[in-house]
Amino acid sequence: SQKIEQNSEALNIQEGKTATLTCNYTNYSPAYLQWYRQDPGRGPVFLLLIRENEKEKRKERLKVTFDTTLKQSLFHITASQPADSATDLCALEEGNNRLAFGKGNQVVVIP
Amino acid sequence: GAGVSQTPSNKVTEKGKYVELRCDPISGHTALYWYRQSLGQGPEFLIYFQGTGAADDSGLPNDRFFAVRPEGSVSTLKIQRTERGDSAVYLCASSSGSGGLNEQFFGPGTRLTVL
Repeated sequence: SQKIEQNSEALNIQEGKTATLTCNYTNYSPAYLQWYRQDPGRGPVFLLLIRENEKEKRKERLKVTFDTTLKQSLFHITASQPADSATDLCALEEGNNRLAFGKGNQVVVIP
Repeated sequence: GAGVSQTPSNKVTEKGKYVELRCDPISGHTALYWYRQSLGQGPEFLIYFQGTGAADDSGLPNDRFFAVRPEGSVSTLKIQRTERGDSAVYLCASSSGSGGLNEQFFGPGTRLTVL
């Protein structure tokens, strides 16, 4: 069966440090992968998209990697700030313009 | 504002009732998506519109769920004979173009509670 796995435990990180989140998937062959951020009571907000032929993508303090052999994406937040406290969701393309979302990984940045 | 809006923000209904949830996408966005999100879960795809037509409704859980987008802009998600298991946040998203590479812009959601 198809699965997208993100760590269910919240990640507590000291302000200024780098947070790394993992997204593993099974039985998908996504042409691209997106990361979204969601605050409580709000809809997700798009962060980054990475294609299957790209190894790494950066946007400001964020970096995403995509390893189609390992079937894994890593999401790095460098120089983390309290404003980064949220739930980060990975989403895989599953054909026909559809996205399949993981459960998300909560990040708590401690000042 | 220029973002995606959804109404109502909260809806409480009784088991067996009919509900309609409305989504106003970003002006000019041709693609519109509906998702359902339960507590602690990611958004679950329900249906995708390209213009007025439902391009993919394979995520609708059963025939109690139906969605329309008659003029290619505003969309309504309709749920008949609601059940307690339908309680969730219903999210709408829109994107420009027809390609899935376009980012999706989400609304704040409608929290549906079925008593």
